[in-house]
Amino acid sequence: EPEVTQTPSHQVTQMGQEVILRCVPISNHLYFYWYRQILGQKVEFLVSFYNNEISEKSEIFDDQFSVERPDGSNFTLKIRSTKLEDSAMYFCATTTATNEKLFFGSGTQLSVL
Amino acid sequence: GESVGLHLPTLSVQEGDNSIINCAYSNSASDYFIWYKQESGKGPQFIIDIRSNMDKRQGQRVTVLLNKTVKHLSLQIAATQPGDSAVYFCAESFGNEKLTFGTGTRLTIIP
Repeated sequence: EPEVTQTPSHQVTQMGQEVILRCVPISNHLYFYWYRQILGQKVEFLVSFYNNEISEKSEIFDDQFSVERPDGSNFTLKIRSTKLEDSAMYFCATTTATNEKLFFGSGTQLSVL
Repeated sequence: GESVGLHLPTLSVQEGDNSIINCAYSNSASDYFIWYKQESGKGPQFIIDIRSNMDKRQGQRVTVLLNKTVKHLSLQIAATQPGDSAVYFCAESFGNEKLTFGTGTRLTIIP
């Protein structure tokens, strides 16, 4: 079965540093999402992306966050200046259409020290 | 804002028995519902989904029931196996909006 691929699996960074999390969507999928999950908590929506632009974002997704699809394959989440509270598991998810099941990657565990 | 939540945070079931995981949702306009299974250190894995024009849908060993009157969703797992031990999330969406996840229920299968 096709998979959403995320790299790296783990990222440790110092507070204030920039991080880029990468995702390779399933090839025929057109809608891309980032979610995050703080340890022991529920999965929280960050942002959705379609047709090379953000279609929806949550309150969490502030000016420190950005997404892009620079080369038509990778879908990236950038955090410009990380904070301690950004520590979480970040999941990329993709789908063929809205209101259809999302396929999730295995996540990137981000630890901000 | 409206949210999706779960009735029980933990559930233990004897191997071979059936399990039922419940979910309450508050957005009466939601038209798509989905159950995910999450094992430790992994991403959510799709189990089964249902649209608001249905009240029951069956998969392999799993059944989802939707009661729109009381805004309740349940996941039934038949003949549970050790591999069913995981956290189960319900999620809902309306129209083209994003999926909103509930808090999760940890299911433990006792050998």
